[in-house]
Amino acid sequence: DQQVKQNSPSLSVQEGRISILNCDYTNSMFDYFLWYKKYPAEGPTFLISISSIKDKNEDGRFTVFLNKSAKHLSLHIVPSQPGDSAVYFCAALSNFGNEKLTFGTGTRLTIIP
Amino acid sequence: EAQVTQNPRYLITVTGKKLTVTCSQNMNHEYMSWYRQDPGLGLRQIYYSMNVEVTDKGDVPEGYKVSRKEKRNFPLILESPSPNQTSLYFCASRSGSGYEQYFGPGTRLTVT
Repeated sequence: DQQVKQNSPSLSVQEGRISILNCDYTNSMFDYFLWYKKYPAEGPTFLISISSIKDKNEDGRFTVFLNKSAKHLSLHIVPSQPGDSAVYFCAALSNFGNEKLTFGTGTRLTIIP
Repeated sequence: EAQVTQNPRYLITVTGKKLTVTCSQNMNHEYMSWYRQDPGLGLRQIYYSMNVEVTDKGDVPEGYKVSRKEKRNFPLILESPSPNQTSLYFCASRSGSGYEQYFGPGTRLTVT
C-alpha cells in the first residue's frame, strides 16, 4: 500500500517557467514532509521541508505548499533552470523520533532549454 | 567534508554468498538508515537505528541484518543474498535536532 504517491512519473517544463510537482499521502499521522532531489549516480539530496503546522515554506526558488485537508503537497520551482533536471522524491514522517521515512515513487523533471 | 560513505559502490555476487555493505558518517549523527531503490517503487526503508545498539525494522527488512556498534558505522548484512535483493542501496544519517537526512552515494548490488 503506497502511503505517499507521486502520480506523475515525469514532467517537462520550459526553462524559466514554473515547475509544479505534486504529492499525495494517505496516512493522516504524517506530520512532516520533505522533498529530495536526485541526480543519476548520486544519493538523494535534501531540498526543502514543511511541518504539518504550516501550509507554506519558501526557500529561494523553491516553495512547498501543504493542504492537510486534501492530504496533498506540492513543490513549486520558479524560475526553472536546466540544473533542476533530476528526479524529485516526496517523503513523509510521522512522530518525530520515529525514523520511519516513507518516500513516494519519484517524478523525473526535465527542463527544456 | 561532511559526508556519508558507502562501500562498495558496485557489487556483483551469487546467490547465497554472504556480503556486507559498509556505511560510515563523519557528522556524529545519531540516526542512520538503509534504503533500497527499485524502479516504480521509490525508496523503501530496510532498517534504521536511533543510536548505538538501537535498531529497528523499516518496511522491507526481510533478508537483511544490521548492527550499530559504533555511532559512525551502520553496516548492512545480507546473510544469504537472493536475486530479488538486486537493487540500488542507500545509507542515510541525520542528527537528532533536524529532520533532513544525508544520503550516501549508493551501492548497486546485483545478485545472480
